[in-house]
Amino acid sequence: EPEVTQTPSHQVTQMGQEVILRCVPISNHLYFYWYRQILGQKVEFLVSFYNNEISEKSEIFDDQFSVERPDGSNFTLKIRSTKLEDSAMYFCATTRGGYEQYFGPGTRLTVT
Amino acid sequence: ELKVEQNPLFLSMQEGKNYTIYCNYSTTSDRLYWYRQDPGKSLESLFVLLSNGAVKQEGRLMASLDTKARLSTLHITAAVHDLSATYFCAASSGTYKYIFGTGTRLKVLA
Repeated sequence: EPEVTQTPSHQVTQMGQEVILRCVPISNHLYFYWYRQILGQKVEFLVSFYNNEISEKSEIFDDQFSVERPDGSNFTLKIRSTKLEDSAMYFCATTRGGYEQYFGPGTRLTVT
Repeated sequence: ELKVEQNPLFLSMQEGKNYTIYCNYSTTSDRLYWYRQDPGKSLESLFVLLSNGAVKQEGRLMASLDTKARLSTLHITAAVHDLSATYFCAASSGTYKYIFGTGTRLKVLA
């Protein structure tokens, strides 16, 4: 069964450094999303992406964040200058027609 | 702005008992979703509810949607230990934004 994959599974970085989180969506899916989940808390919407552009973004998704689909397969989330409060699990999700979302396994980001 | 609330936040129940988790949302939503999350894991889709009065069942779990009341319920019948997890509901308005509830941490005691 096709699945969403994410790399790396765990990323440790120092405050102020840039990180790129990668996601490979299911091949015929068209809508892509990033969420974050601070440990033990709820899942927070960051951004949605369709047709090579951002469709919606939340207040969390400020100028430090960016997304792109550089090669038609990977879908990336970049955090330009990480802060301690960016430490969280980051989930990529994809959907073909905007209904059921399929989530990747997540990337645990630890900012020290 | 769409907001989603769940209750209870924590639920400890005996095996064999029934219980219901409630999910309220604040504005018109096209669809309602239920997910399960095991500790340290990703989210697993359980149900997608698309219209008023929709009811879906899988094993001991049954989800329903009342769009007039802006309420969805997840009913657990005769709970077993394997159902212990965190359950999230999420609502969407359109295709581009899904808002999650706070989650209900369910613990089923033997």
